[in-house]
Amino acid sequence: RKEVEQDPGPFNVPEGATVAFNCTYSNSASQSFFWYRQDCRKEPKLLMSVYSSGNEDGRFTAQLNRASQYISLLIRDSKLSDSATYLCVATRGFPGNQFYFGTGTSLTVIP
Amino acid sequence: GAVVSQHPSWVICKSGTSVKIECRSLDFQATTMFWYRQFPKQSLMLMATSNEGSKATYEQGVEKDKFLINHASLTLSTLTVTSAHPEDSSFYICSARDLREVAYNQPQHFGDGTRLSIL
Repeated sequence: RKEVEQDPGPFNVPEGATVAFNCTYSNSASQSFFWYRQDCRKEPKLLMSVYSSGNEDGRFTAQLNRASQYISLLIRDSKLSDSATYLCVATRGFPGNQFYFGTGTSLTVIP
Repeated sequence: GAVVSQHPSWVICKSGTSVKIECRSLDFQATTMFWYRQFPKQSLMLMATSNEGSKATYEQGVEKDKFLINHASLTLSTLTVTSAHPEDSSFYICSARDLREVAYNQPQHFGDGTRLSIL
């Protein structure tokens, strides 16, 4: 079983739409969680960390449910520039060194 | 913000060639750097953890003699793909953690990747 699983999509949404991605992790010892964004043929870039209490950064909201071992990302008012692949990450080891990536969820925002 | 530079960004080589990829942290020191590989439409897979001044730790299934890692300083790690074959063609990405960020919830800083194509 993969350490981190994501629905690969693709998600095709119109501009202005709200879209949500979910991600599950299999190891309850996972410590920290992140969402990264990866554009085609580029390196991943940190979008946001995910905290148990939930956190928001502008149009982006991340949630963590440790009991169910899932993480979510909500994007409101989608922009064309949001088109990318979104990678879910769970970490383990000390001090959270081992990063485990999901396969990514592809998002295309359509004009 | 923290910057990680990777070089070269694109390599095309004949089968049997050895290829060296450099990963540098430009504005911070990193005792630990990480090497990932990503095949098309797949997730990043951790290959090895590179530790400054000591041997790298390889993930299960990664051949240490095939993928040589050297982390000689706090700002440089190198990955050498020895006797590369077409199946080694992939996107190789390094990342690093700032020495000062030794705590949970700290992200890794990624290099811009090296696209390796073996003919």
